[in-house]
Formats: sequence, structure tokens, C-alpha cells
Amino acid sequence: DTAVSQTPKYLVTQMGNDKSIKCEQNLGHDTMYWYKQDSKKFLKIMFSYNNKELIINETVPNRFSPKSPDKAHLNLHINSLELGDSAVYFCASSRAGGSSYNEQFFGPGTRLTVL
Amino acid sequence: SQQGEEDPQALSIQEGENATMNCSYKTSINNLQWYRQNSGRGLVHLILIRSNEREKHSGRLRVTLDTSKKSSSLLITASRAADTASYFCATGGNNRLAFGKGNQVVVIP
Repeated sequence: DTAVSQTPKYLVTQMGNDKSIKCEQNLGHDTMYWYKQDSKKFLKIMFSYNNKELIINETVPNRFSPKSPDKAHLNLHINSLELGDSAVYFCASSRAGGSSYNEQFFGPGTRLTVL
Repeated sequence: SQQGEEDPQALSIQEGENATMNCSYKTSINNLQWYRQNSGRGLVHLILIRSNEREKHSGRLRVTLDTSKKSSSLLITASRAADTASYFCATGGNNRLAFGKGNQVVVIP
């Protein structure tokens, strides 16, 4: 009964390719997130969606495009992959938006390696 | 956005000892959260302390918050090998959590 799941777990690809990472949560949460964790384990928010609407879009290159078909899913599509995109990408979810008191539930991560 | 920043040092202790790690932040907060990340896994929420609280306990965890110094500490008592992980503090509001770099804790059996 995985709460937040991501696929794939590992993704190895060549520079210039386009790839997608999928995320699903079965917790009934309204808000979902994408984070990027670099090699030094620094975790930075990329996007946040509340009920399928984008509410946070940090200064992420527009090669990254999130898509939320419904509030249980938040996918991340990356165009023209670059070496610097290599990182672990985490999806997370939390209860209703607008509050910082809600803990976030994280997926297992997707390790992206760009060659 | 606000950001928690842990002291950037790894900690290696013997099983049974206590582990303490600190976190500092720069702006006003509503609350501060601590998360654990085991190797190769996602983050797991440990505890949340509100800005009007000074101390909070959860099992073997004890968190303190000093808003005047903009700092928090996480104490793990009677550590176990399974406590080996990275620990992150996070601050934020409006669904925007800012995480620090994390403290690596290694508990030696």
C-alpha cells in the first residue's frame, strides 16, 4: 500500500533526450510537489500543485514541465536533458493547501543520470 | 522563502549514545519540521514544532526551538543502528518548505 509512488526508480539517458517521471499518491491529498536533490543532498522545491493547479513554480528552466491530470497524479516531463539535470527527483504530497502545518509525504525518489 | 540550515557536519556515534544536531534559519517561522532520510529513500516526517512551542517530544526524539536565536535542535536518545540516516530541518509557509542540507548521522553497532 505505497502512499506516494514514483516511476521509474532509476533513469539513465543521453543528453538531449526527453524523459518523464510519474508520481501517484493514494492518500487523498490535495497538494503535490516535485523536489530536486543534488549530489550534496541539498533538497530544493521545484513545483507545487494544489487540486491540479500550479501554485509554486520556482526558478526552474522551462525545459521542466509538470502536468497534473488529476489531484492524485503529478508527472514531470523534462525536455532536452542536460548533464546538470542529473539528480534524485522526489515527489511529495500533503493535505489541503495554504498551510505549513501539514507534513509532507515523500515518494522513494527517481535517480536520473544524464550521460 | 525561508530555509533551515543544519550545521554541516556528519556525526558518528556508538549505539546507545545520544545524537544531537542543530538547525538555524534566517526569517520568522510558523513552525519547523524535522525529517529523516535513509540511504536511497525518500524523506520521512519525524516531528513538527510550532513557533509558540519551546520543546516537543516524540518517542526517543526531542526537539527544541529557540525563536530568539532562530535555531532548533534534534536529540535522538539511546540511538540504534537503524537511526543511521540524514536528518533535515525544514521551514516554510503556504506549502513552500525549504530544507537545509541535512546532517548525516552514523550509528555504529
